[in-house]
Amino acid sequence: DQQVKQNSPSLSVQEGRISILNCDYTNSMFDYFLWYKKYPAEGPTFLISISSIKDKNEDGRFTVFLNKSAKHLSLHIVPSQPGDSAVYFCAASAVNTDKLIFGTGTRLQVFP
Amino acid sequence: KAGVTQTPRYLIKTRGQQVTLSCSPISGHRSVSWYQQTPGQGLQFLFEYFSETQRNKGNFPGRFSGRQFSNSRSEMNVSTLELGDSALYLCASSGSTVTETQYFGPGTRLLVL
Repeated sequence: DQQVKQNSPSLSVQEGRISILNCDYTNSMFDYFLWYKKYPAEGPTFLISISSIKDKNEDGRFTVFLNKSAKHLSLHIVPSQPGDSAVYFCAASAVNTDKLIFGTGTRLQVFP
Repeated sequence: KAGVTQTPRYLIKTRGQQVTLSCSPISGHRSVSWYQQTPGQGLQFLFEYFSETQRNKGNFPGRFSGRQFSNSRSEMNVSTLELGDSALYLCASSGSTVTETQYFGPGTRLLVL
């Protein structure tokens, strides 16, 4: 049972445009959400997070939006750069647990 | 500050064998989590250790086990290897909870023949 779903396995965006990566979850107990970026042959690196008490968190070119009623979060990258090409994982954690549940990842390719 | 290190980086084993993977967390970090990454399955949580105690466990069979030492270093063991165990095994460390920023190691790529 995949509690965190990233339904788009891949996304291709032109440099300078907006990249939108989506993530859906099923567990209403999730209260903390994170995005990680992963380059080949490297471990994932933390990108940005959001608590369920907020609906938006921004860090430079990266913004995460949370829609609790729809159990949906998205990561916006503006403007997209070729160096953003990587696999992006969303992850969620439930109240009072110390376990991160990851999605299956979306491969983003930013082309010139 | 040195990052999370994992050894070995690559490993080839045959079915039925057992394997032990090692993870050294960032100095001062006490929480170590292990994940399995396979194509199409993303990152799947194996278990998490904190102060030498397993605090959380994912839905993996008992062939997958782990432990943590007093210096926070952790090992993961897989016994009676199966072809489906071929994957990238990642460990991540954080201060005390997984909701703090987790820092991942480069992973150990295991191939079971």
